[in-house]
Amino acid sequence: QQQVKQSPQSLIVQKGGISIINCAYENTAFDYFPWYQQFPGKGPALLIAIRPDVSEKKEGRFTISFNKSAKQFSLHIMDSQPGDSATYFCAASSPIQGAQKLVFGQGTRLTINP
Amino acid sequence: ETGVTQSPTHLIKTRGQQVTLRCSSQSGHNTVSWYQQALGQGPQFIFQYYREEENGRGNFPPRFSGLQFPNYSSELNVNALELDDSALYLCASSSNLAVGTQYFGPGTRLTVL
Repeated sequence: QQQVKQSPQSLIVQKGGISIINCAYENTAFDYFPWYQQFPGKGPALLIAIRPDVSEKKEGRFTISFNKSAKQFSLHIMDSQPGDSATYFCAASSPIQGAQKLVFGQGTRLTINP
Repeated sequence: ETGVTQSPTHLIKTRGQQVTLRCSSQSGHNTVSWYQQALGQGPQFIFQYYREEENGRGNFPPRFSGLQFPNYSSELNVNALELDDSALYLCASSSNLAVGTQYFGPGTRLTVL
């Protein structure tokens, strides 16, 4: 119940196209859903995040769509660029004891072809 | 404003040894979380520290322990290293007012031989 399932595992998109990554969760106690971008040898960088009382959030070329009833959320990258090539992780924040831990999906390796 | 920093960058140890990893939190952040990221996997929560006390722990054995200092910096200690402990260890800092919003450091790559 603590899992976050992410798909696809890898994705190849042409430059200028739309990249879409999907995540699903079971635990209704999750109250915060961030997306992270990670380049090889680097730590994850917070990209965009959403709370369950909002159905969509847009920041520049990045949009999160959130479907609370289906327990699903997705990241859309518009006008994808070669510099967007990285591994993307969805996550969900869960209260544990007095803490807030992040539960991560397995990651999606995104390649943008020039 | 400085981001999260971690040291060392890389570390090689042998099985059975002990290791200490260090983390300095982002300016203004008083909560530190540690994660283990195995190759090709998402990060796994180890524990979180707030006000110098552990206030949440993931599914890791007691040989993983930590400390938080008055300046909010933190240490992760791992005793009796095993081969499976080889991973990228990530520190994330956050404010207690928005603990879900966590900012990660560059990580320490630990290799256990």
